[in-house]
Amino acid sequence: AQSVTQLDSHVSVSEGTPVLLRCNYSSSYSPSLFWYVQHPNKGLQLLLKYTSAATLVKGINGFEAEFKKSETSFHLTKPSAHMSDAAEYFCVVRRGYGGSQGNLIFGKGTKLSVKP
Amino acid sequence: GAVVSQHPSRVICKSGTSVKIECRSLDFQATTMFWYRQFPKKSLMLMATSNEGSKATYEQGVEKDKFLINHASLTLSTLTVTSAHPEDSSFYICSARDWASLPLKETQYFGPGTRLLVL
Repeated sequence: AQSVTQLDSHVSVSEGTPVLLRCNYSSSYSPSLFWYVQHPNKGLQLLLKYTSAATLVKGINGFEAEFKKSETSFHLTKPSAHMSDAAEYFCVVRRGYGGSQGNLIFGKGTKLSVKP
Repeated sequence: GAVVSQHPSRVICKSGTSVKIECRSLDFQATTMFWYRQFPKKSLMLMATSNEGSKATYEQGVEKDKFLINHASLTLSTLTVTSAHPEDSSFYICSARDWASLPLKETQYFGPGTRLLVL
C-alpha cells in the first residue's frame, strides 16, 4: 500500500533563506507523487508532480522537488523563502492507477512559517 | 487553470438537520470527483469517490447512509450530510479530475472547501 510521511509538522525559516520540507514515501511500485499547498481560506493548489519522468521536478513559485528512489524521498525545496510562502504543505501519493483507484493519499502536512 | 467551486463556503446548522454541499467543475468535465474531510490541524481524509452516473465508492469507515453523494452530471457532485451531529463538524473539500486533457488527467483540482458547524 502506498503512503507518505512528512517528517516535520512545522518548519520555520527567515525570509530569503532556503526552504526544505521533507517527505518519505512507501510504494510497492513506481509512485506518482505530488506536493500541494493550502493557504488559509483557499483551495489546495498543486505545486508540482512527479510521474516517472525527470527525477528533478520544477513547480510553480520557485519550488522544486527531487525524487530519490534509493532514499524513498521526495523533499520539497525552494532557494529563497518569501513571506507569501507561509502555508500548509502536503506531500501526496496517488493510490493506484485511473478510475476509482486514482485517488490521493495525503501526508499529515507541514506548516511553513516565514519570519521577516 | 481549471476551477472547482464549492457552495456554501460555510454553513451552521442545528443537530438533526441535513446539509447539502455542492461541488462544481466550472470549465471542464469531471467524470470523477472526490470528497475529503479535514479535521483541524490534520490531514485530508478521503471519504468517497464519486463517479458520474453511478454509485459512489466509499472508504472504509465512512457511513454511506449518512454521507449521501450524488454525481448527476459531468460538472456537479453533491454531498449531503444527513441528520448532522456536532461530531460531523469539519472542513469538507471536494476535488475533480479533468479526463479530457491528457496532460492534465493526472491532476486533481480542489475546491476551496466548506466549513460545517453543527450546533
